[in-house]
Amino acid sequence: NAGVTQTPKFQVLKTGQSMTLQCAQDMNHEYMSWYRQDPGMGLRLIHYSVGAGITDQGEVPNGYNVSRSTTEDFPLRLLSAAPSQTSVYFCASSYSGTHSPLHFGNGTRLTVT
Amino acid sequence: AQSVTQLDSQVPVFEEAPVELRCNYSSSVSVYLFWYVQYPNQGLQLLLKYLSGSTLVKGINGFEAEFNKSQTSFHLRKPSVHISDTAEYFCAVSSNSGYALNFGKGTSLLVTP
Repeated sequence: NAGVTQTPKFQVLKTGQSMTLQCAQDMNHEYMSWYRQDPGMGLRLIHYSVGAGITDQGEVPNGYNVSRSTTEDFPLRLLSAAPSQTSVYFCASSYSGTHSPLHFGNGTRLTVT
Repeated sequence: AQSVTQLDSQVPVFEEAPVELRCNYSSSVSVYLFWYVQYPNQGLQLLLKYLSGSTLVKGINGFEAEFNKSQTSFHLRKPSVHISDTAEYFCAVSSNSGYALNFGKGTSLLVTP
C-alpha cells in the first residue's frame, strides 16, 4: 500500500504566487487533514475533511483553501503565497476522525521568498 | 479547548538508559491522548493511544505511557533506549468533536552511545 502520498516534496515560491499541494490516500479513509509544522510550534491544523464534499477549518486556516471532491484526494491551495507560509506541510488521514490512528504523508517543504 | 504541554524540549540520554518524556494535558471533559513519533525527514507515526480502559498503555517499539487523571499527565516511558529511538516525540489530545488533534510542541530525544 502507498498509504498517504504528498507531492511535491520540496517547493520554492515567490511572494504572491499560487500553488497546490497534493495529497492522496489509498486506504479509503473518510477523514483527511492538513497540518503545518514550524520549529518550536509543533503541528497546527489548517483544514480537515470528514468525507467527500465536506471540509472545515482548523486552527490556522487563513491563506489556505481546500476541497474534497473524491475520498482519495485532498489538495491544499495557497492562493497568494506569503513568507509566513514557509513551513513543512503534512497531510494525514484516518478511518474516522482523530480517535483512529492518523496516517501521515512524508511532508512537503515549502519556502516562500 | 483541550491542549497539551510537553515539559521538555530536549532530552539527551545514553543508550540502554531509561527515559521518560513528560506530557500534561488540560481538559474538563473526557480526553483521548496520543503519542506520535517523527523520525528525521519523515511524517509522524502513532506510538500509542489512550481512549479508555486501562491507564497503562503499551505501544510499539517498547514504549508505554500512563494516563494519570489526578495529575492530568500522560508521560511516555521506555526502560532501555536504543540509538534508533532518536527522534521527535509529540504528545497530542483529540478535540471533543474528534476531528482535530492538538499537538504539543514536541520533545527531541537524543540517544548517544
